[in-house]
Amino acid sequence: DTGVSQNPRHKITKRGQNVTFRCDPISEHNRLYWYRQTLGQGPEFLTYFQNEAQLEKSRLLSDRFSAERPKGSFSTLEIQRTEQGDSAMYLCASSPRQETRGNTIYFGEGSWLTVV
Amino acid sequence: AQSVTQLDSHVSVSEGTPVLLRCNYSSSYSPSLFWYVQHPNKGLQLLLKYTSAATLVKGINGFEAEFKKSETSFHLTKPSAHMSDAAEYFCVVSRYNQGGKLIFGQGTELSVKP
Repeated sequence: DTGVSQNPRHKITKRGQNVTFRCDPISEHNRLYWYRQTLGQGPEFLTYFQNEAQLEKSRLLSDRFSAERPKGSFSTLEIQRTEQGDSAMYLCASSPRQETRGNTIYFGEGSWLTVV
Repeated sequence: AQSVTQLDSHVSVSEGTPVLLRCNYSSSYSPSLFWYVQHPNKGLQLLLKYTSAATLVKGINGFEAEFKKSETSFHLTKPSAHMSDAAEYFCVVSRYNQGGKLIFGQGTELSVKP
């Protein structure tokens, strides 16, 4: 079990550029989540997948954001035409399909985005 | 709707003294509750979770939390703080039939003085 892996760990980009983050979940985990965390705040839910199906998207996820999980394994989060307000840490997490209450969700170390 | 409120944004203790991080929750349904810890520039690590079994939950590194339905609280405690406990702590609630989506509190920064 190698844990949830995210790349790149840090990204500095100019306003208006596109960026893409990748997440490799724990193998055999069906569910994959994306969260965003800004300085001094708790993480906020963005979206989640059950296998390759995107089952829920937060209203925080504007039209400039798109997430995919094409083969039900790794996932990408793309931000188009970045804005300074997009500067945050983007956290990926995974869990087995939830059969019981309180299924543990495992987080990666996050991808820091700075938009200048 | 579900939410959590962490009553202290910052707590400072001396090494070897008890730790108390306070959390109140709001939920229309019987919730699952968690405490996560985040060290600087690191991801989130699960400390412990409550899922309607025992109300006193023991976690890693000597932490424990007690679910009190009458007080809608889930406070995190540790008998004796260690320097390595200095980190950000998040109280979290989820509803199992909402895909396991987690709702985080604002966080409590724990400082440990020598």
